[in-house]
Amino acid sequence: QVQLRQWGAGLLKPSETLSLTCAVYGGSFSGYYWSWIRQSPGKGLEWIGEITHSGSTKYNPSLRSRVTMSGDTSKNQFSLKLTSVTAADTAVYFCARGFRNRGSGSRILDSWGQGTLVTVSS
Amino acid sequence: QSVLTQPPSASGTPGQRVTISCSGSSSNTGSNTVNWYQQLPGTAPKLLIYSNNQRPSGVPDRFSGSKSGTSASLAISGLQSEDEADYYCAAWDDSLNGVFGGGTKLTVL
Repeated sequence: QVQLRQWGAGLLKPSETLSLTCAVYGGSFSGYYWSWIRQSPGKGLEWIGEITHSGSTKYNPSLRSRVTMSGDTSKNQFSLKLTSVTAADTAVYFCARGFRNRGSGSRILDSWGQGTLVTVSS
Repeated sequence: QSVLTQPPSASGTPGQRVTISCSGSSSNTGSNTVNWYQQLPGTAPKLLIYSNNQRPSGVPDRFSGSKSGTSASLAISGLQSEDEADYYCAAWDDSLNGVFGGGTKLTVL
């Protein structure tokens, strides 16, 4: 059973860079879409982006200018960096494993990390 | 403002059947399959239905999904108190990004 465990700084000041890492245990790193999703307090889910084992990335257009995702296949880890954070970036950030069935682009997120609350405050 | 539209709330009594709708457009739900996630308070979302109507192993058959055109639905029959949670639909958009619904808070009366 695959497990995702994530960590990173939980309190940032405006203009700083958010940095989170997610480690994958008990499963292959290849063949999946490694994703980041966030949830603002009391709000719904927002897809941030994804990275494959080969390093191919896709980002939410609304965040693209500030997001960078990277992966380390030797450690089965992937990371998220979000620059120039503001209070609007305060959220619980989740990492997740995704795959898709043939014939559809939809990512099926079948395993999730525990979530990391990131608060942006001066 | 979420790309996929869900009712903000739904409710039912134990044993009842409830449905939650999810509406999108031709670029997302109309051309890609829909997945549903259940989020219990304080926890990460859990995959509930994938590819419109498939249940992962371990999900009770009380949960079912369907899709027609650009709209999808999640149905829960034999409602139980432990079903009280937030439910989210999700799909891929042909503009190359994932999209979610705003979520529906299900209350078991």
